[in-house]
Amino acid sequence: DAKTTQPNSMESNEEEPVHLPCNHSTISGTDYIHWYRQLPSQGPEYVIHGLTSNVNNRMASLAIAEDRKSSTLILHRATLRDAAVYYCILRYAGGTSYGKLTFGQGTILTVHP
Amino acid sequence: DTAVSQTPKYLVTQMGNDKSIKCEQNLGHDTMYWYKQDSKKFLKIMFSYNNKELIINETVPNRFSPKSPDKAHLNLHINSLELGDSAVYFCASSQGARGFGETQYFGPGTRLLVL
Repeated sequence: DAKTTQPNSMESNEEEPVHLPCNHSTISGTDYIHWYRQLPSQGPEYVIHGLTSNVNNRMASLAIAEDRKSSTLILHRATLRDAAVYYCILRYAGGTSYGKLTFGQGTILTVHP
Repeated sequence: DTAVSQTPKYLVTQMGNDKSIKCEQNLGHDTMYWYKQDSKKFLKIMFSYNNKELIINETVPNRFSPKSPDKAHLNLHINSLELGDSAVYFCASSQGARGFGETQYFGPGTRLLVL
C-alpha cells in the first residue's frame, strides 16, 4: 500500500471545525482514501472514504485535492467525543490486497472544552 | 446488539502458557481479520479469513494459529506465550475481501498481558 503522512497531533476547541490533513504523494489511480479513528480504549471506527470526488457523511467530510496527492478530513463541529487518533489509509482496489488496512501513526486529536 | 464481539476483554497469563481469544460477528459478513496493536500503538494486520478460508497471513510466528469454524467466528490461539505477545488484539469484519471500498467493523479488543 502507498504511504501516507499525517501530523502527529492537532488540537481544537469544542464546536469549532477541524481540518485533519493527510499527504499521499505516491497514491496510484486505483487507491481509495479511507479514514478511520480510534477513540481511547476502543477499536478503530470507520469515518469516511473516497476516490476522487469530495465526500460527505453524517460524521465528516472528505476533501480530496485535484491531483489526489493530499486529502483533508473535516469535522464540522468538534465535540469532546471526537478526541481520538485519526488514521488516513490508502487501499488498493485490485490485486491480492484482500482488504487489509495498513495503519500509520495517525493524528492524535485533542478537543478542548 | 454488539456487531463484533471478542472474549475475553482482558487476559493476564504467564509466559509459556497457551491461550485463545474468540471473536464473533453478527453482521453476516464474509471476511474477518485479526489485528495486533503493540505498546507503541501501531496497528498491524495478522490474519484474514474469507468464507472460512485463510487469505492473509502476515509475518506472524507459528505460535499464532487462527481458526474459523464458520463465517461468523474467527478465533486466535497462541501457543507458548512470550512477553512480546503482550498487546491489544482486535478482531474485525467486512462484507467482502477485495476491500477497496469496504468498511471494516472492529471489535472492542482483547488486552493480553504476559507476565
